[in-house]
Amino acid sequence: DQQVKQNSPSLSVQEGRISILNCDYTNSMFDYFLWYKKYPAEGPTFLISISSIKDKNEDGRFTVFLNKSAKHLSLHIVPSQPGDSAVYFCAATSGGLDKIIFGKGTRLHILP
Amino acid sequence: DTAVSQTPKYLVTQMGNDKSIKCEQNLGHDTMYWYKQDSKKFLKIMFSYNNKELIINETVPNRFSPKSPDKAHLNLHINSLELGDSAVYFCASSQVRGASGPYEQYFGPGTRLTVT
Repeated sequence: DQQVKQNSPSLSVQEGRISILNCDYTNSMFDYFLWYKKYPAEGPTFLISISSIKDKNEDGRFTVFLNKSAKHLSLHIVPSQPGDSAVYFCAATSGGLDKIIFGKGTRLHILP
Repeated sequence: DTAVSQTPKYLVTQMGNDKSIKCEQNLGHDTMYWYKQDSKKFLKIMFSYNNKELIINETVPNRFSPKSPDKAHLNLHINSLELGDSAVYFCASSQVRGASGPYEQYFGPGTRLTVT
């Protein structure tokens, strides 16, 4: 039972263009959503998060949008850079315990 | 200066053996976690400790036993290893959730366990 779904296993984007990574969730009790980035042979690193009471959060080139009615969030990276090539995990959490539920990840390839 | 470190990075062992993975964080965090990333790439939480006290224990076989000797360490001991235990195990740490929401979790580099 996947509560957090990333339906695109991979995505290729030209350098300088916008990368849009999508995520859907099923649990309406989630109150925080997070994006993590992972390079090979390394652990995931936190990228950006958003509270369920907001619909947008921006940090530099990264913006996360949340559509609660659609139970959908997306991560926008603009402009995309070669160092952005990695696996991106969407994640969500609820309640007082920091039990994060991760999606399966989307591999982003930035093309020169 | 590594924030969350795990040893060993690779572990190859035979079925039936007992093995341990060590984790240490130097961030002063109160909470530590163990995650398992299986062959299907799902990253799932196994355990969480806050100030040496177990607070999250997912449906994990009893063969897995976390041990937290102090706030900076959370080790994972696995008894009677099985083929299905082959995976990458990640340790992580964070501050306790605050009023503004959960703090980010910092992950170690992972330990790739291969059971033959």
